[in-house]
Amino acid sequence: GIQVEQSPPDLILQEGANSTLRCNFSDSVNNLQWFHQNPWGQLINLFYIPSGTKQNGRLSATTVATERYSLLYISSSQTTDSGVYFCIQDNQGGKLIFGQGTELSVKP
Amino acid sequence: GAGVSQSPSNKVTEKGKDVELRCDPISGHTALYWYRQSLGQGLEFLIYFQGNSAPDKSGLPSDRFSAERTGGSVSTLTIQRTQQEDSAVYLCASSFALGGVTEAFFGQGTRLTVV
Repeated sequence: GIQVEQSPPDLILQEGANSTLRCNFSDSVNNLQWFHQNPWGQLINLFYIPSGTKQNGRLSATTVATERYSLLYISSSQTTDSGVYFCIQDNQGGKLIFGQGTELSVKP
Repeated sequence: GAGVSQSPSNKVTEKGKDVELRCDPISGHTALYWYRQSLGQGLEFLIYFQGNSAPDKSGLPSDRFSAERTGGSVSTLTIQRTQQEDSAVYLCASSFALGGVTEAFFGQGTRLTVV
């Protein structure tokens, strides 16, 4: 089945720093999404990005479907950015396939 | 509704009791998913409903778990004879496929604690 690998698994940043999170796929990209799971456990939609580049404030994402990866950029990080970031795609059979997540901790 | 709604948000139950968890998907969404997340772990697939098709139940961990979706909308996940290892956050998501786009949205989850 489709494998989704995220890196790094853990990341500690000082407030104000920038970071890049990566998601690699073993098969073609389908309906790729990035989510942020906040410390209260809620999964918040960040981007729906099967290809191309999108930006939303301090966050942006790029998916290169032909090379089977996606990147999430966080600029000028804030403590509220802490949590786990997941990339997810569906396997066209209905299941949402999750990466193992990147746990981000932003220190004041 | 405006988003996926789950109830209750928290549930504490005694070992051996049955529990029902409810999910109200976004109106018009044809697909509905249940996942669970144990403390510090990733998300574990439980079950998937798509329209009128037979649900994909391949992720249900035991026959104590069942789910139904009535009228293609609200879903109920039932856990019978709860065990302590059932303690987790149960997350529901819904999506609507249109023109090749399938974007999923998650509810806030139900935190189940079995004591």
